[in-house]
Amino acid sequence: QKEVEQDPGPLSVPEGAIVSLNCTYSNSAFQYFMWYRQYSRKGPELLMYTYSSGNKEDGRFTAQVDKSSKYISLFIRDSQPSDSATYLCAMSAPSNFGNEKLTFGTGTRLTIIP
Amino acid sequence: DAGVTQSPTHLIKTRGQHVTLRCSPISGHKSVSWYQQVLGQGPQFIFQYYEKEERGRGNFPDRFSARQFPNYSSELNVNALLLGDSALYLCASSLVSSTDTQYFGPGTRLTVL
Repeated sequence: QKEVEQDPGPLSVPEGAIVSLNCTYSNSAFQYFMWYRQYSRKGPELLMYTYSSGNKEDGRFTAQVDKSSKYISLFIRDSQPSDSATYLCAMSAPSNFGNEKLTFGTGTRLTIIP
Repeated sequence: DAGVTQSPTHLIKTRGQHVTLRCSPISGHKSVSWYQQVLGQGPQFIFQYYEKEERGRGNFPDRFSARQFPNYSSELNVNALLLGDSALYLCASSLVSSTDTQYFGPGTRLTVL
């Protein structure tokens, strides 16, 4: 069993819709949770970073963490064609040298249809 | 401010050859990590270097090695290339604190023929 599970999609939604992306994890040592956006053939770009259960909002993006269920989500409101990308969840455990080892999901490929 | 930079952008090698990939972290960041991303998969952790020492290693063979220089830049070396080493190699830098996370460069796309 993988430490982090993420539905690879692909996921297609019409412009303006609310998008929900999810990951589950099995390692209870994970305390830091991130969402990255990756455009084709580019490096991952950090979207959201949180280290507590609950919701964190940034513009059209909301990250949700439920540590008791080992489940994290990313919601995108008013989706735009420019949101079309692969979304990667990532998480890490505390260590002496920061969050050096990120464990990623496989990524969900999202397409927003104009 | 410049982000993480990597060179070269693309590279084509043949089986058995050696490759060196380079990374410069964000100014002020002292930790560099390397990841391998095979097409259709999430990045897999290879190494972390901090203050020129290896601080973490993923599940990769000894053909993979790295080092960090006094200016915090880093090199990833892969010997005896295999077809399966074809991937996007990503470098990430961070401040090394309990609440900081990693910022990725654009990657080097390696193709092994």
